[in-house]
Amino acid sequence: ETGVTQTPRHLVMGMTNKKSLKCEQHLGHNAMYWYKQSAKKPLELMFVYNFKEQTENNSVPSRFSPECPNSSHLFLHLHTLQPEDSALYLCASSQEWSGRPETQYFGPGTRLLVL
Amino acid sequence: GQNIDQPTEMTATEGAIVQINCTYQTSGFNGLFWYQQHAGEAPTFLSYNVLDGLEEKGRFSSFLSRSKGYSYLLLKELQMKDSASYLCAVTDSNYQLIWGAGTKLIIKP
Repeated sequence: ETGVTQTPRHLVMGMTNKKSLKCEQHLGHNAMYWYKQSAKKPLELMFVYNFKEQTENNSVPSRFSPECPNSSHLFLHLHTLQPEDSALYLCASSQEWSGRPETQYFGPGTRLLVL
Repeated sequence: GQNIDQPTEMTATEGAIVQINCTYQTSGFNGLFWYQQHAGEAPTFLSYNVLDGLEEKGRFSSFLSRSKGYSYLLLKELQMKDSASYLCAVTDSNYQLIWGAGTKLIIKP
């Protein structure tokens, strides 16, 4: 068991829908991440939270809105998505976002399909 | 630009040995990670190399040459459960993780 859970595992939504992805980590970590994984492409870092503060936003469109109420929970709110946003969305956590390489622990992902 | 190159797909036979290569061009280097990802599952940490040489961990070994910008993951005594994607990721000078697209390894009986 990875210690990082994500819900839902699968999601189908229309372009006008609003939905949220949830991530929870049980590892006592202080940093949490959202990644987008598309077929045959590298993982794309979307957002980083360190001690509940957003530290990275890699030019992600505003139709993706993260929320981190505490160090254990991370949400990704989705609104008016496009078909090209269909992908696997992975959540990860690490001890903290620091000036040292940190091993990241991943959740199983949410497979998103936008119609 | 920053770039990580890995073969897209490899096929090997159960019981054999396979080597998955990763070459990188990054702004600085602060270590290289290998992760394993089974289809539909979370990537899981396999190894971390920051110094040149070979690190062995059971059936899996990881090698790094910083001067060549090169790493490989060596899997011995392949088992069917080793069928997965293997992701290479490099930490650059800003401690950003740069990811490769992954190598899909298919194991045949």
